[in-house]
Amino acid sequence: GNSVTQMEGPVTLSEEAFLTINCTYTATGYPSLFWYVQYPGEGLQLLLKATKADDKGSNKGFEATYRKETTSFHLEKGSVQVSDSAVYFCALSGRNTGNQFYFGTGTSLTVIP
Amino acid sequence: DSGVTQTPKHLITATGQRVTLRCSPRSGDLSVYWYQQSLDQGLQFLIQYYNGEERAKGNILERFSAQQFPDLHSELNLSSLELGDSALYFCASSVAPVAGGNSPLHFGNGTRLTVT
Repeated sequence: GNSVTQMEGPVTLSEEAFLTINCTYTATGYPSLFWYVQYPGEGLQLLLKATKADDKGSNKGFEATYRKETTSFHLEKGSVQVSDSAVYFCALSGRNTGNQFYFGTGTSLTVIP
Repeated sequence: DSGVTQTPKHLITATGQRVTLRCSPRSGDLSVYWYQQSLDQGLQFLIQYYNGEERAKGNILERFSAQQFPDLHSELNLSSLELGDSALYFCASSVAPVAGGNSPLHFGNGTRLTVT
């Protein structure tokens, strides 16, 4: 079946620290991969995406590379800010998922000054 | 601002009651999706409509129903409410009948339902 596994949270980092949130997936075929971010009191917002193997998605200093060989799509940022505090969701979608989205359980990030 | 509007923001009601949640998709989007987010179950897909017709069904209970109207807004009806139905309910929209890399989901800010 299709599934997304994210690292357990919560994650607490100091400002300017390096961030990695691990995401691995199980899917048939070649799905598109996404990271969504949910700020407190808001809905999920698309952060970045990658639609094929070796693609790198990037936005607002965040990056993730679609690794087919390791079925991973880890989220990274070189220097986090307090404003990055949010819940991050990894997701996949594609023809073999019935074109539905499958979301991970979310990883809560808190950045302290 | 995603362009997806959900009302109301908060709902508090008693067990056994019925409520209606409303969603207006982004301008130009024909697909509407409903998700339930609870602490213990994460984000669960409930149902999708495209241009007024049901397109896909997920983990939606029989006590729940939805529809999409000709103006493309959608309503999610929850009846015979139970304590366990307390959750955040999100609506999302996309332009295409199938979401994916070229048609990502855009989420509203959700309706927080509390059943007492």
